[in-house]
Amino acid sequence: AQRVTQPEKLLSVFKGAPVELKCNYSYSGSPELFWYVQYSRQRLQLLLRHISRESIKGFTADLNKGETSFHLKKPFAQEEDSAMYYCALRKAGGTSYGKLTFGQGTILTVHP
Amino acid sequence: EAGVTQSPTHLIKTRGQQATLRCSPISGHTSVYWYQQALGLGLQFLLWYDEGEERNRGNFPPRFSGRQFPNYSSELNVNALELEDSALYLCASSLGLGQNYEQYFGPGTRLTVT
Repeated sequence: AQRVTQPEKLLSVFKGAPVELKCNYSYSGSPELFWYVQYSRQRLQLLLRHISRESIKGFTADLNKGETSFHLKKPFAQEEDSAMYYCALRKAGGTSYGKLTFGQGTILTVHP
Repeated sequence: EAGVTQSPTHLIKTRGQQATLRCSPISGHTSVYWYQQALGLGLQFLLWYDEGEERNRGNFPPRFSGRQFPNYSSELNVNALELEDSALYLCASSLGLGQNYEQYFGPGTRLTVT
């Protein structure tokens, strides 16, 4: 069974500081990894996915299959980055594809 | 483009009753997913429907059931409600069976069981 772990429930940084939200996963096959974000009073939305290999709002994430990690990074945090961040995994193929397995989430607070 | 809509926004039920939650996907989307976000448990996958068929089911008891209608909207039914069913229920939709399709989430229905 697949599992996603986000070790930090809360993460606080100051504006302009680098930020890294950690995500580790366990899955024996080839997963698809995502980061979702939920801003205050807004719905859950996709931030980025590893297959796109793009930077969204200054955030990047690299899939490290050796360490089974997909950490989210931003070199200079902004106050508007304050939100709940979820790491999620989706199996590629098989009978369980489509289903997203989420981590517990990390609340990021960026102080002015 | 209208997003995923869910109704009602809030639902208060008594233990033992039944709850029905509704979801309308984005126009053109044929897949609907249901997730439960309970306090302290994070987001957990409940059900996935596509083209009217149940495609996958999470680790939930049979009293959690649902269906998808010909217009691709969906209902989630929870029978014999228990206190621990209190949670935010999120619906998501996507373009279909393709594994590369992004899931778009609705605002959720907050179910409170007293």
